[in-house]
Amino acid sequence: GQQLNQSPQSMFIQEGEDVSMNCTSSSIFNTWLWYKQDPGEGPVLLIALYKAGELTSNGRLTAQFGITRKDSFLNISASIPSDVGIYFCAGHNSGTYKYIFGTGTRLKVLA
Amino acid sequence: GAVVSQHPSRVICKSGTSVKIECRSLDFQATTMFWYRQFPKQSLMLMATSNEGSKATYEQGVEKDKFLINHASLTLSTLTVTSAHPEDSSFYICSARLTDQPQHFGDGTRLSIL
Repeated sequence: GQQLNQSPQSMFIQEGEDVSMNCTSSSIFNTWLWYKQDPGEGPVLLIALYKAGELTSNGRLTAQFGITRKDSFLNISASIPSDVGIYFCAGHNSGTYKYIFGTGTRLKVLA
Repeated sequence: GAVVSQHPSRVICKSGTSVKIECRSLDFQATTMFWYRQFPKQSLMLMATSNEGSKATYEQGVEKDKFLINHASLTLSTLTVTSAHPEDSSFYICSARLTDQPQHFGDGTRLSIL
């Protein structure tokens, strides 16, 4: 099935560094979501975006809904070891049932 | 809010056994529940979508007679893997949502078929 492309696929960063990742699609969405998945657990919702150009923060996390509606970005400031995990984006259009998930960005933080 | 409970968290059983996994929305009534399968180091693969009181919608390539889904109420959906075989071993995750709200996930079930 369709998947969204996430970049980078994986990254190692030093504790305290800022992290940026993005998610791109060939089609438009009117909702973008970001989830984090820890090993052996289900994904946890981090941020939901509903409007093109919207910038939303959740603590050290900031996500943006791309103006073209075909992409979204997630930034993590001052990373800490517990930020380790896989980050998934998901796109959705109201009136449809399916969420399209990204390929994931695996984040590893070096203390 | 928006807590989804999935049970059991881990199952190990013999080939040929049928296994039932439960998914409950604890603090909201879910209009839709989803079942996903996740292979190691891969993204979530949607298996089926279920709405309370109606038949599940299966994704292409997912055998509905193999993966039985029952959505008995607005807070409970079950996935039964019938006559499970080693190739059915995987991480199965459910999610639930209210209409036009984000979906919230359970903690997943690790299924191992010997």
